[in-house]
Amino acid sequence: NAGVTQTPKFQVLKTGQSMTLQCAQDMNHEYMSWYRQDPGMGLRLIHYSVGAGITDQGEVPNGYNVSRSTTEDFPLRLLSAAPSQTSVYFCASSTPRTGRREQYFGPGTRLTVT
Amino acid sequence: AQSVTQLDSQVPVFEEAPVELRCNYSSSVSVYLFWYVQYPNQGLQLLLKYLSGSTLVESINGFEAEFNKSQTSFHLRKPSVHISDTAEYFCAVTSMDSSYKLIFGSGTRLLVRP
Repeated sequence: NAGVTQTPKFQVLKTGQSMTLQCAQDMNHEYMSWYRQDPGMGLRLIHYSVGAGITDQGEVPNGYNVSRSTTEDFPLRLLSAAPSQTSVYFCASSTPRTGRREQYFGPGTRLTVT
Repeated sequence: AQSVTQLDSQVPVFEEAPVELRCNYSSSVSVYLFWYVQYPNQGLQLLLKYLSGSTLVESINGFEAEFNKSQTSFHLRKPSVHISDTAEYFCAVTSMDSSYKLIFGSGTRLLVRP
């Protein structure tokens, strides 16, 4: 049981490039979310999904796209990277079925945009 | 909407001393409360949570937090800290009907000195 996995661990992009951050979970969780972590600001929600085919915007969605074609995967796409998107990105998953309510986080992707 | 305030960005403390990390929240609806810990260069791990019942909750490594509804607080305490407790601690809140959307505080860096 790997939990939540994220690839890559590190990435450097030039301004204007595009890329996809991968996230997968093997716990059959319905809910998946993407957060970004910036110094002094905690984690902020980018996009979330409550099930396959259903996504919605969080607090800071601009510049990011998501899709959820399967329960397991929730990729985050940067269409045209900007220096303001330099951050650490965390994917998380959870389920309403157990009543535990907590989210399980992946190890993160550190992205630098130059 | 919910918000979380962590009043201290950094708390230095000597080993074996007690510590309190403060967290206040605001919400117009009932919430669940969490403390997550992030060790250097790692992802987030759940430390403890309040869902319902006893307002005092404990973790396996000696931390405890008390939910105070009247003061809208969920402060984290430990009677005697270790060097290994050095980490960043995040308080987070979610409404009971949308547990896939965590709202985080800005974090408190606990620095334990020998």
